[in-house]
Amino acid sequence: AQSVTQLGSHVSVSEGALVLLRCNYSSSVPPYLFWYVQYPNQGLQLLLKYTTGATLVKGINGFEAEFKKSETSFHLTKPSAHMSDAAEYFCAVSVGGGSNYKLTFGKGTLLTVNP
Amino acid sequence: ETGVTQTPRHLVMGMTNKKSLKCEQHLGHNAMYWYKQSAKKPLELMFVYSLEERVENNSVPSRFSPECPNSSHLFLHLHTLQPEDSALYLCASSLTGGLTDTQYFGPGTRLTVL
Repeated sequence: AQSVTQLGSHVSVSEGALVLLRCNYSSSVPPYLFWYVQYPNQGLQLLLKYTTGATLVKGINGFEAEFKKSETSFHLTKPSAHMSDAAEYFCAVSVGGGSNYKLTFGKGTLLTVNP
Repeated sequence: ETGVTQTPRHLVMGMTNKKSLKCEQHLGHNAMYWYKQSAKKPLELMFVYSLEERVENNSVPSRFSPECPNSSHLFLHLHTLQPEDSALYLCASSLTGGLTDTQYFGPGTRLTVL
């Protein structure tokens, strides 16, 4: 079975600073990887996803993530944080075999951006 | 109206009540999902429907009963709930239910069980 670990339940950065949110996964088969964002009082919204091909994936709002198979990681980065980036971020993984419909989420990382 | 909508947005119910949550998607998708989001825990997948057929029931107690009358609507019927069932219930939809699908989420129903 697959699993997702997000290191750090809460990350605080200053406006303009680098954002780095960590995600490691466990899977016995090649995974498909996702980052979702949840703003207050809203549902989740896809930031980016890795399925096949280029391992550096660019998403919305200036975010990107790199799939590193050797490190079983899919960390999310943004060069310069903006106040509007304050939200909760979820890493998720889906794999083939067994249920074709299950997306496994991490516990989430709450990002705070300080002025 | 576009996207995924959920009603009601907030619900308070007693343990003996019966209520229903409604989800509607206007995206032409064929798969719909119910998730439970509790504080400090990962999102928990509850049910998945594909083309109105239930394809996943993730060991959910029988006091939660889903219904999918067509590909645009999904309900979650609730009865004799427990206080630990208080959570944010999220509905989502995706094009086919496949592994690489993007799931589109509604804003959720905040449920409080007294």
